[in-house]
Amino acid sequence: AQTVTQSQPEMSVQEAETVTLSCTYDTSESNYYLFWYKQPPSRQMILVIRQEAYKQQNATENRFSVNFQKAAKSFSLKISDSQLGDTAMYFCAFMKHTGANSKLTFGKGITLSVRP
Amino acid sequence: GAVVSQHPSRVICKSGTSVKIECRSLDFQATTMFWYRQFPKQSLMLMATSNEGSKATYEQGVEKDKFLINHASLTLSTLTVTSAHPEDSSFYICSATPLPGGAGYLAGYTFGSGTRLTVV
Repeated sequence: AQTVTQSQPEMSVQEAETVTLSCTYDTSESNYYLFWYKQPPSRQMILVIRQEAYKQQNATENRFSVNFQKAAKSFSLKISDSQLGDTAMYFCAFMKHTGANSKLTFGKGITLSVRP
Repeated sequence: GAVVSQHPSRVICKSGTSVKIECRSLDFQATTMFWYRQFPKQSLMLMATSNEGSKATYEQGVEKDKFLINHASLTLSTLTVTSAHPEDSSFYICSATPLPGGAGYLAGYTFGSGTRLTVV
């Protein structure tokens, strides 16, 4: 079974600064996907970024980038130039690469507050 | 992009009644949809995997007879909370992903906007 660990329950960052959210996971799978999802106060789950385990290059999406360390089973999210709209709960998630019925395994989430 | 519509967004029902929540994939087909339950400030808890044309697969500890799931077509799954009680009050979310070969397959699951259920 897979596990995803987000050990920091809350973080706060000043607007325009950079923040890194940590995530570790445990799996015996060799081929899988990792995701970061954002859940703002509206509670709509939004995909932030996605990483395929077989790719060494770290994924980036505008101000969001990841530091994927496969051997260490670490998958952190860096948010640059933080904006007030980044205030949300962030979930790290794992998915086996076995098809459309693969379940997502979520971490407990971290509440990020961006201060003006 | 893939869009998942979930209705209703909010529902209040009396204890002992049943409530149906719909999850529709608007621009793609999905053989599998997932239903989650979420308490405030907590993570999503997978309740069941909804399979088109077959029985749903429930996670351990989830009552099949209380949470009825029907996946009658490739674009619609429903969750019915039967004989609802106040402890069933929660936020319910569905998710889906396109079929293999479809645009957006394995790009990441798309989530509905959620349903806040209050049982009084």
